[in-house]
Amino acid sequence: AQSVTQLDSQVPVFEEAPVELRCNYSSSVSVYLFWYVQYPNQGLQLLLKYLSGSTLVKGINGFEAEFNKSQTSFHLRKPSVHISDTAEYFCAVSNSGGSNYKLTFGKGTLLTVNP
Amino acid sequence: DTGVSQNPRHKITKRGQNVTFRCDPISEHNRLYWYRQTLGQGPEFLTYFQNEAQLEKSRLLSDRFSAERPKGSFSTLEIQRTEQGDSAMYLCASSLLGPREAFFGQGTRLTVV
Repeated sequence: AQSVTQLDSQVPVFEEAPVELRCNYSSSVSVYLFWYVQYPNQGLQLLLKYLSGSTLVKGINGFEAEFNKSQTSFHLRKPSVHISDTAEYFCAVSNSGGSNYKLTFGKGTLLTVNP
Repeated sequence: DTGVSQNPRHKITKRGQNVTFRCDPISEHNRLYWYRQTLGQGPEFLTYFQNEAQLEKSRLLSDRFSAERPKGSFSTLEIQRTEQGDSAMYLCASSLLGPREAFFGQGTRLTVV
């Protein structure tokens, strides 16, 4: 079984400040890792993914994440946030050795960017 | 490519009634997933199809829930004898085979009164 823990349910920051959203996972097998963003009353949009290779992954909208296997973490970062980044962010894992690639999500982190 | 389409966007129903949701995936995508998201939680996996075959169902999917994907195209999710605990956002996603990005629809928000 896999699980994802997003350590902060809410993160308030000021515009142009840096932000880090934390994600830890638990799995007995190798995993793929994802960050999705959800705007109010919308579906989920992929920000970035780690499948293999470089542990530093760059995504859309200036976001990046680093896979740390020893700490089982996949924290999301952005050096300077905008008002438009206000949304719910979900970390997710899937089993890299399986065949269905279903996603197990964390509970989400609400990022609020204030002017 | 118009993305994943879900209908209706919102559904209000009385307890005990049956409801059906539809998902139209991206046309060339083999895989289709259903997830359920309740308030303050991340989406939870319900079931998935590869083409027309339903290959896995979560224990969350009680006997009142049934999903189909005839001819490997659109999919329907039916909930019979709805209960207030079924109130949630139901999300559909599709992807190509392999560890590919899953594209999500905008969801159907179900409210059982």
